[in-house]
Amino acid sequence: DSGVTQTPKHLITATGQRVTLRCSPRSGDLSVYWYQQSLDQGLQFLIQYYNGEERAKGNILERFSAQQFPDLHSELNLSSLELGDSALYFCASSEQGQGANEQFFGPGTRLTVL
Amino acid sequence: AQTVTQSQPEMSVQEAETVTLSCTYDTSESDYYLFWYKQPPSRQMILVIRQEAYKQQNATENRFSVNFQKAAKSFSLKISDSQLGDAAMYFCAYRSGVSNFGNEKLTFGTGTRLTIIP
Repeated sequence: DSGVTQTPKHLITATGQRVTLRCSPRSGDLSVYWYQQSLDQGLQFLIQYYNGEERAKGNILERFSAQQFPDLHSELNLSSLELGDSALYFCASSEQGQGANEQFFGPGTRLTVL
Repeated sequence: AQTVTQSQPEMSVQEAETVTLSCTYDTSESDYYLFWYKQPPSRQMILVIRQEAYKQQNATENRFSVNFQKAAKSFSLKISDSQLGDAAMYFCAYRSGVSNFGNEKLTFGTGTRLTIIP
């Protein structure tokens, strides 16, 4: 158990819909990262938040957005869903942004778009 | 941009034998970190081992060790005395060591699926 929690574990929805994935980092971790794992794109970085502020953006679609709240939990919002958005979405957290701090991964949310 | 390449989509090894997974990377940076993550069928991402580029000594964690060749930009993972529980996807990952905002993300290779033969 990494200490990072993600809800829900599984999500099945239809094209065009909007969903919200939730992540609670390990206690004390200030940085939250979102990654997408899909068959065709592999594991890729989407976005990072640090202490409530956006810190870095990766290959995140405009239909996707995220935020980190004062209690440090984070949400990833996916809208106008397409079949290709079906993937495993991971949240990871680390103590701080710099250094070789390990990123602890949550169990992931499996999103299926039908 | 940094890239990470894992050229072995699949590998297999007899139980109790040794196997080496390959990883190469491309970067213009001199300060960085390299990681091997394990993803078992449960899909959980588990850190196996890390290597700081400024350290010449190869990292070791119990049965797991790396062969870090900085000049060749190579970072292979050796698993000794393979066990059934080692069966998983293994991902090599790169992280910049430059202390700038936005450099903390992990860049992953495509993974190697390791099968352990009893």
